[in-house]
Amino acid sequence: EAGVTQSPTHLIKTRGQQATLRCSPISGHTSVYWYQQALGLGLQFLLWYDEGEERNRGNFPPRFSGRQFPNYSSELNVNALELEDSALYLCASSLVTEAFFGQGTRLTVV
Amino acid sequence: AQSVAQPEDQVNVAEGNPLTVKCTYSVSGNPYLFWYVQYPNRGLQFLLKYITGDNLVKGSYGFEAEFNKSQTSFHLKKPSALVSDSALYFCAVRRYSGNTPLVFGKGTRLSVIA
Repeated sequence: EAGVTQSPTHLIKTRGQQATLRCSPISGHTSVYWYQQALGLGLQFLLWYDEGEERNRGNFPPRFSGRQFPNYSSELNVNALELEDSALYLCASSLVTEAFFGQGTRLTVV
Repeated sequence: AQSVAQPEDQVNVAEGNPLTVKCTYSVSGNPYLFWYVQYPNRGLQFLLKYITGDNLVKGSYGFEAEFNKSQTSFHLKKPSALVSDSALYFCAVRRYSGNTPLVFGKGTRLSVIA
C-alpha cells in the first residue's frame, strides 16, 4: 500500500513569489493535515481538510491557504513568500485516529 | 486548548541501557496520545498510540509508552537502547472528539552512544 506522497521534494522560490505544494493521502483516508516544521520550532499546525472541507486552521496568516480535491488529495498554497517561510512542509493523512506522514517538501525562499 | 510539553531537548543514553523520553499533555476531555520518530530530512514515522484500555501500550521497534492520567503524562520507554534509535522524537495529543488536529510537542533529540 502506498504511503502519503508529497511533491515536489524540494522547492526554491524567490521572496514575493507563490509556492504550491501537493499531497496525496493513503488510499481510503479522507483527512489531510498540513504542518510547517521550521528550524528549532517543532511542528506547527497549518490546515486540516476532511471530506473536502476545511475543518481547522492554525495560527498562520491568510496567505497560507489550501484545498482538498474530490479524490482527497490536497494542495497547499503560500502567497507572497517571505524568507521565514523557509521550512519543511509536512502533509499527513488520517482515517480515524493516528496520522501518517509524507516525506515532506523542503521549501527554500531566497 | 491542547498542548504538549517535552521537557528535555536532548536525552543521551548508552547503548544497551533503558531509555525514557518524557511527555506531559493538557487537553479537555479524554485524550488520544501518540509518539512519532523523525530521522534526518525525513517525515515522521508513527510509533505507537494510546486510545483507551491498558495504560501500557506497545509499539514499533520495541518501544512502549505508559499513560498516566493523574500525572497527565505519556512517557516513551525502551528497555535496551540501540544506536539506530538516535533520532528526534515527538509526542502528540488530540482531543477524543471534535474538530481538533494533532498538536505536537517541540521534540526531544535522543542520542544513543555506543
